Amino acid sequence: EAQVTQNPRYLITVTGKKLTVTCSQNMNHEYMSWYRQDPGLGLRQIYYSMNVEVTDKGDVPEGYKVSRKEKRNFPLILESPSPNQTSLYFCASSSVRWGFTEAFFGQGTRLTVV
Amino acid sequence: AQSVTQLGSHVSVSEGALVLLRCNYSSSVPPYLFWYVQYPNQGLQLLLKYTSAATLVKGINGFEAEFKKSETSFHLTKPSAHMSDAAEYFCAVTISSNTGKLIFGQGTTLQVKP
Repeated sequence: EAQVTQNPRYLITVTGKKLTVTCSQNMNHEYMSWYRQDPGLGLRQIYYSMNVEVTDKGDVPEGYKVSRKEKRNFPLILESPSPNQTSLYFCASSSVRWGFTEAFFGQGTRLTVV
Repeated sequence: AQSVTQLGSHVSVSEGALVLLRCNYSSSVPPYLFWYVQYPNQGLQLLLKYTSAATLVKGINGFEAEFKKSETSFHLTKPSAHMSDAAEYFCAVTISSNTGKLIFGQGTTLQVKP
């Protein structure tokens, strides 16, 4: 089954404690990205990756890091989380080889930073 | 810059009534347009997409949307609401088939009353 898998689904952490949210896709997609969803703001892109070892900032990258060492994995790293990073996070992947058609989303990770 | 505006953060309809969720976009080039649905505690699922073919697009679960270039709109409709349609709906746009980046609207929560 084609899917994007995020872990964990729920996470409560304290300010300043480094954390990683994992994302894996099994569709051999080139393009992967992270979004955060906040009430009234919709989803906003944090970082994206066009392929292995190719990453770039999205619209709201401050406070986040990513890496793309393997095509299937695209972890999101918060080196020093702060309360304003409390949000619902989604990983997405898509194929752009023959033109973008749709993005596939993970189930989401609800992060609370206290 | 591209942007998406969804009119109405909350829409309430009675079961069996027409569903109309409004989406207007801003784009300097012909866009690709999408509607995604998010059920509680789940990720985003593609409802339908417009990629410059037919202007009336049919999606899953009886939903459809019409691309109107003159009005820069892509409103989502369903003739008869079902209780299971209660969810949050997002309109999104991308201007390039070479990237997977989506610009999302703020979201509209659909409530269906018995």
